[in-house]
Amino acid sequence: AQSVSQHNHHVILSEAASLELGCNYSYGGTVNLFWYVQYPGQHLQLLLKYFSGDPLVKGIKGFEAEFIKSKFSFNLRKPSVQWSDTAEYFCAVSPHNTDKLIFGTGTRLQVFP
Amino acid sequence: DVKVTQSSRYLVKRTGEKVFLECVQDMDHENMFWYRQDPGLGLRLIYFSYDVKMKEKGDIPEGYSVSREKKERFSLILESASTNQTSMYLCASRGGTSGYNEQFFGPGTRLTVL
Repeated sequence: AQSVSQHNHHVILSEAASLELGCNYSYGGTVNLFWYVQYPGQHLQLLLKYFSGDPLVKGIKGFEAEFIKSKFSFNLRKPSVQWSDTAEYFCAVSPHNTDKLIFGTGTRLQVFP
Repeated sequence: DVKVTQSSRYLVKRTGEKVFLECVQDMDHENMFWYRQDPGLGLRLIYFSYDVKMKEKGDIPEGYSVSREKKERFSLILESASTNQTSMYLCASRGGTSGYNEQFFGPGTRLTVL
């Protein structure tokens, strides 16, 4: 079955630290890849997405993610986090032959000033 | 801006009650989705619809049904609510037929079944 793994369940960082959240998926075909973010009390919103082309994609608020096809990974990065980045982050995969979006279990990020 | 609204932010129901969760989107999107969000489990797809009166089961449809009589509205129905259906329910919509297109989410309904 298709699945998405986010191995970091809870990450705690100080402001200005660098961030990398892991995301791996299990699907052998072509996929679209997404990172969504849910700030406290707010609805899920898109951070960035990958469809094709340059495997390094840039999103909002200084986030970026790199698609490494050989590793089935789409890790999220930010060089310097801010307190306002405190949120839950979800990786999601949409195989090309389906309408479904398969979510990972989420990573809760806490950033302390 | 796409807007997805859900009828209630918080709902408390008793076991055995019939529960309706309503979702409305204002962008003429073809596709609409219902998920439940539970700690440590992420979002799991319950049902989705790609057109009026059309529906497809997601990964966890048991105990739920849906209705899409109008393009902008997608309802989730719990025929007989049970305590294990206590959860956050999220509705989403997506335009077009490509899975590349972004899903837009509503604010969620936190349902508690006593």
